[in-house]
Amino acid sequence: TQLLEQSPQFLSIQEGENLTVYCNSSSVFSSLQWYRQEPGEGPVLLVTVVTGGEVKKLKRLTFQFGDARKDSSLHITAAQPGDTGLYLCADLSTDSWGKLQFGAGTQVVVTP
Amino acid sequence: SQTIHQWPATLVQPVGSPLSLECTVEGTSNPNLYWYRQAAGRGLQLLFYSVGIGQISSEVPQNLSASRPQDRQFILSSKKLLLSDSGFYLCAWKPGLQTYEQYFGPGTRLTVT
Repeated sequence: TQLLEQSPQFLSIQEGENLTVYCNSSSVFSSLQWYRQEPGEGPVLLVTVVTGGEVKKLKRLTFQFGDARKDSSLHITAAQPGDTGLYLCADLSTDSWGKLQFGAGTQVVVTP
Repeated sequence: SQTIHQWPATLVQPVGSPLSLECTVEGTSNPNLYWYRQAAGRGLQLLFYSVGIGQISSEVPQNLSASRPQDRQFILSSKKLLLSDSGFYLCAWKPGLQTYEQYFGPGTRLTVT
């Protein structure tokens, strides 16, 4: 059974600071997705990465996928209060069912 | 455009009572449908998924069950709730075989007392 570990569990920073959160797997990811979830809502997809070594940028967010496809990081530059939320990584199965296995998440709080 | 609905939004039920949560999707046909449960501040656990009417696969053995009586309707049920069934229940759909993204509903907050 694949084990996804996210670190840190909780991160509190001031507006304008940078932050990085990590996701590590006990086995190779099929495809890796990052989600952000706000309280009382469902998660929203940020990015999907498939290829080892891949780097994707989404405005102030930079996603890196490890060469061995067993780890990933999410870096936020100049964080804003709107970045507050639970950041979840998930392994997406590539079969027709498209099942997701989630990590426990990193709770990020950005204070003004 | 496609939308996903869940109800009720919140529910407080005593131990041993039955449960029925409903999820419906509009604006698409033959979606893959999923039920997840989330403990407070934690990741999501896949409970059930369905690729068509009457087709249900279970990921975790427990006292919950799921049904898909119509193409765009997914129901989560229990005959007798346990305290451990408390959590945030999310329904999600995926439009097809070659797409990556699942779209999540607004969720149901269930508290078993």
